[in-house]
Formats: sequence, C-alpha cells, structure tokens
Amino acid sequence: EPEVTQTPSHQVTQMGQEVILRCVPISNHLYFYWYRQILGQKVEFLVSFYNNEISEKSEIFDDQFSVERPDGSNFTLKIRSTKLEDSAMYFCASSGLAKGTDTQYFGPGTRLTVL
Amino acid sequence: DAKTTQPPSMDCAEGRAANLPCNHSTISGNEYVYWYRQIHSQGPQYIIHGLKNNETNEMASLIITEDRKSSTLILPHATLRDTAVYYCISHTNRDDKIIFGKGTRLHILP
Repeated sequence: EPEVTQTPSHQVTQMGQEVILRCVPISNHLYFYWYRQILGQKVEFLVSFYNNEISEKSEIFDDQFSVERPDGSNFTLKIRSTKLEDSAMYFCASSGLAKGTDTQYFGPGTRLTVL
Repeated sequence: DAKTTQPPSMDCAEGRAANLPCNHSTISGNEYVYWYRQIHSQGPQYIIHGLKNNETNEMASLIITEDRKSSTLILPHATLRDTAVYYCISHTNRDDKIIFGKGTRLHILP
C-alpha cells in the first residue's frame, strides 16, 4: 500500500541553525501539507501546497518557514533559523484528486529537537 | 477550534466493540465526518469517513445519525493495538487544512 515517508525520523539542531525536513508524498497525489505537534498538544496545520505554490498557511507559518517541491517527488519544509519553540513532531501529508473531499494521508513524522 | 466534541477518554475491554461518540451539531451539508487515530506520537492514521450514509471498511464502521449532528465510530473487536487517540473531524470540500481537536484517548484493557 502506498505511503508517505519522511526523513529524518529525528533531527537535533542548535538554536539559530537551518533545518530541512523531507517528505516523499504518495506518488499520484497533488496536494501536500505540513502539520506540527508540540509534545502533549494538538496537531496543528502549518501549510498546504498545490501546483507549486502555497494554497493556505497558518499564523505559525511565518517568514522563517518555507516549503518547496524541488524535484517532483520530494516535498520539503525549511526552517531558516530555528528557535527552541520549534521543537515538535512535524508531519507531512498528501491527498489526491479532489480538494478537501479526498483523504489526507500522513507520514510517520520527524521529531525536531532544538537545543 | 475543532467543530466537533468528543469525550476526553474511554476504556474498552479487549475483544469487545469500542464505540466512540462524536458530536458535530453545527456540521453543514457539504461537510464530511472523518475519523483518524494517532498511536503514541506516530502520524495520524486515516480510519474512515462519511457524509450521510453509514460506512464500513476493514478497520471500522461509521454510524451517522439521520440529522448528521452526531456519529459513532465502531471498532468491532478491539485489540491492544487499538490503544490510541481518536479524532473526529468535520471537513468540507473547500478546506485545505484538517483542524484537529483533542480527540478521545481510547484505552484497551486486557
């Protein structure tokens, strides 16, 4: 069964450093998403991406964040200058054809620890 | 904020049916009811969704009331591996994002 994959599973970084989290969505999907979950809190939407541009973003997704689909298979989330409060699980998701009514499938997540 | 209401936690004996309720009294006509679960900080896992009719798949059944103001997710024979947080979500075809609430923490008791 096709699945979303994410790398790395765990990333440790120093405050102020840049990190790139990588995702490989399900191959025929057209819509891509990033969510995050701070330990003990709810899963929160960050950004959605379609047709090589951001279609929606949350207040969390400020200028420190960017997304890219560099090569037609990977979907990346970059945090330019990490802060302690960026420590969280980051989940990538993808969905197929029909915006909203098509199911989003989530990856296993990347645990980001900012020291 | 999430537009659904769920009990914070429930217990179910292993082998029994787990019935997880959800209230979505303000659901609109074009909103689907989706259920996901999250097992210990893993990625949310899709379970099932429906609009008006009851639905069944290999994982679960979804019973939606006729007025669509509430629904019940049924895991027919719960196992220890079903211990997770279960999220009930209403989602339209105009929404990009899924808005997660706190869900129901289901404990399966041996």
